[in-house]
Amino acid sequence: SQTIHQWPATLVQPVGSPLSLECTVEGTSNPNLYWYRQAAGRGLQLLFYSVGIGQISSEVPQNLSASRPQDRQFILSSKKLLLSDSGFYLCAWSPRAYNEQFFGPGTRLTVL
Amino acid sequence: DAKTTQPPSMDCAEGRAANLPCNHSTISGNEYVYWYRQIHSQGPQYIIHGLKNNETNEMASLIITEDRKSSTLILPHATLRDTAVYYCIAQTLGNYGQNFVFGPGTRLSVLP
Repeated sequence: SQTIHQWPATLVQPVGSPLSLECTVEGTSNPNLYWYRQAAGRGLQLLFYSVGIGQISSEVPQNLSASRPQDRQFILSSKKLLLSDSGFYLCAWSPRAYNEQFFGPGTRLTVL
Repeated sequence: DAKTTQPPSMDCAEGRAANLPCNHSTISGNEYVYWYRQIHSQGPQYIIHGLKNNETNEMASLIITEDRKSSTLILPHATLRDTAVYYCIAQTLGNYGQNFVFGPGTRLSVLP
């Protein structure tokens, strides 16, 4: 069966510090991968999606970036965090386009 | 991209059916209706999706009106564990993959 992992589960970082969140998927190959952010009390916002290694599409311009160095690995990064980057970050995968997505447990990021 | 409108909150008595409405009046012919739910501090969970016909699975039933401008998610026998935020999403077809736009959803409270 397929599983999706995210780490860390929680993170507290000062403003201006870098960020690296990792997501990995097991039990499948060539998945579509997604990063979402959920601000407190808000719905999910799609940040990035990827259909293959090195292929990243950005949905929202901001100080975050994403990379996919391996087929089942998706990384969300920032060089300098802002207060507004606080939120719940979710990674998701789907077996192919036009299909349901499965979400990881999420990372709760607090920027102070 | 089709937008969806849901009531912000609903209550349901335990053991009764929970009927969650969703309006998607601008949905296009090739867009599916997806439902997810998110229990507090967890990642979203896929529930069901449909295009034109009504759908049923082990979790819920999805009723889509003939004009496809609205739909209803039905949890036939709600339990306390069904308390969550429920998201109705009209599938957005991007250049790659499937890019969901999550709105604020409906907060369902199942009451004992």
